[in-house]
Amino acid sequence: SAVISQKPSRDICQRGTSLTIQCQVDSQVTMMFWYRQQPGQSLTLIATANQGSEATYESGFVIDKFPISRPNLTFSTLTVSNMSPEDSSIYLCSVAGRGQGRVAGELFFGEGSRLTVL
Amino acid sequence: DAKTTQPPSMDCAEGRAANLPCNHSTISGNEYVYWYRQIHSQGPQYIIHGLKNNETNEMASLIITEDRKSSTLILPHATLRDTAVYYCIVRVDSYGQNFVFGPGTRLSVLP
Repeated sequence: SAVISQKPSRDICQRGTSLTIQCQVDSQVTMMFWYRQQPGQSLTLIATANQGSEATYESGFVIDKFPISRPNLTFSTLTVSNMSPEDSSIYLCSVAGRGQGRVAGELFFGEGSRLTVL
Repeated sequence: DAKTTQPPSMDCAEGRAANLPCNHSTISGNEYVYWYRQIHSQGPQYIIHGLKNNETNEMASLIITEDRKSSTLILPHATLRDTAVYYCIVRVDSYGQNFVFGPGTRLSVLP
């Protein structure tokens, strides 16, 4: 299993500013994922971040808006740029690992970062 | 898009079995059925997964129909702490494959 820590756990930001969310994992992992969960909605994958390569973004998400860094195998950041109220969401970091369910690529999630944009 | 269909919400009395259905009529032969749940304000949590056979662990049982087009997650003795959104996901069992979350079923366990 993997223990994932996210910072900040919540924040209130002003329109037009940017916020960087950090994700720290207690073990080395190859694949890290960033999800967004808008209020009352399910999770949507933003991008997949592999160490040593550019992040792969899903349809509807672009690097200029959500730049991602993956400097090593235990850490990643997601920046939400030029924020608007529509960016108010929970942002979740997750990693693929082999947990007690013995599932290849089983996902472990952090507690999320709740972002409110005024 | 998610490959599964689930009822948006269900109620269950505390102490009774909660049976959560999931339809996945287009599932491929190498795709597994996974169940995750998300308790309010927390990240999703793995529950169970299966390919063809029924599976049981300390949290739940998973019943998969013979044609694999549908499945049921069973919480044998639901407690108030089982109140959560339950997601059924079909996916190839591979590190490189994404998990696509549908809307899930919001289970309310009532006292």
